[in-house]
Amino acid sequence: GQSLEQPSEVTAVEGAIVQINCTYQTSGFYGLSWYQQHDGGAPTFLSYNALDGLEETGRFSSFLSRSDSYGYLLLQELQMKDSASYFCAVRSGNTPLVFGKGTRLSVIA
Amino acid sequence: GAGVSQSPSNKVTEKGKDVELRCDPISGHTALYWYRQSLGQGLEFLIYFQGNSAPDKSGLPSDRFSAERTGGSVSTLTIQRTQQEDSAVYLCASSLATSGSYEQYFGPGTRLTVT
Repeated sequence: GQSLEQPSEVTAVEGAIVQINCTYQTSGFYGLSWYQQHDGGAPTFLSYNALDGLEETGRFSSFLSRSDSYGYLLLQELQMKDSASYFCAVRSGNTPLVFGKGTRLSVIA
Repeated sequence: GAGVSQSPSNKVTEKGKDVELRCDPISGHTALYWYRQSLGQGLEFLIYFQGNSAPDKSGLPSDRFSAERTGGSVSTLTIQRTQQEDSAVYLCASSLATSGSYEQYFGPGTRLTVT
């Protein structure tokens, strides 16, 4: 089966940088996705890494190391609106997507 | 264009009753997924459909849960003889294909409360 580990909660100051880590155990790995979910809202896709390295999309970047079964989401210039839950998810084998339990990010002034 | 829509947005039902939840995926998306999310928890995979292939039902928690997808578009998730532990938000998502499953588009969900 698959398993993903990510911190349950992270708190960071507005304007700062925060990194949310994700480690996974799976077979037939294809890639690592990240989703954002605000309270009461639906998850929205942020990024996908199939290859090692850093992908940058505006203030958000995502990193993958396949050899370490590890990835992270990096949020820069934090804003209050970034307070949300962030989920990593792996695509592997015949399972389309398996989600982690999520990291709740609180941005404080 | 229109996103994924789900109905109803909220459903309160009595224990033992059957419920049907509906999902309209994005037009042209061949893959459709159902998830369950309990308060403050992650997304629990239930079932997915890809085109005309047999659905992957491996995530359904019991035989009280079933789903169908008519005409390769609209999907209905049915829960029979609901139990209090079924209370959760049921999310539907779609993607271009299973190969594109890394980027899923989610609907707003149906909040189910079993009393």
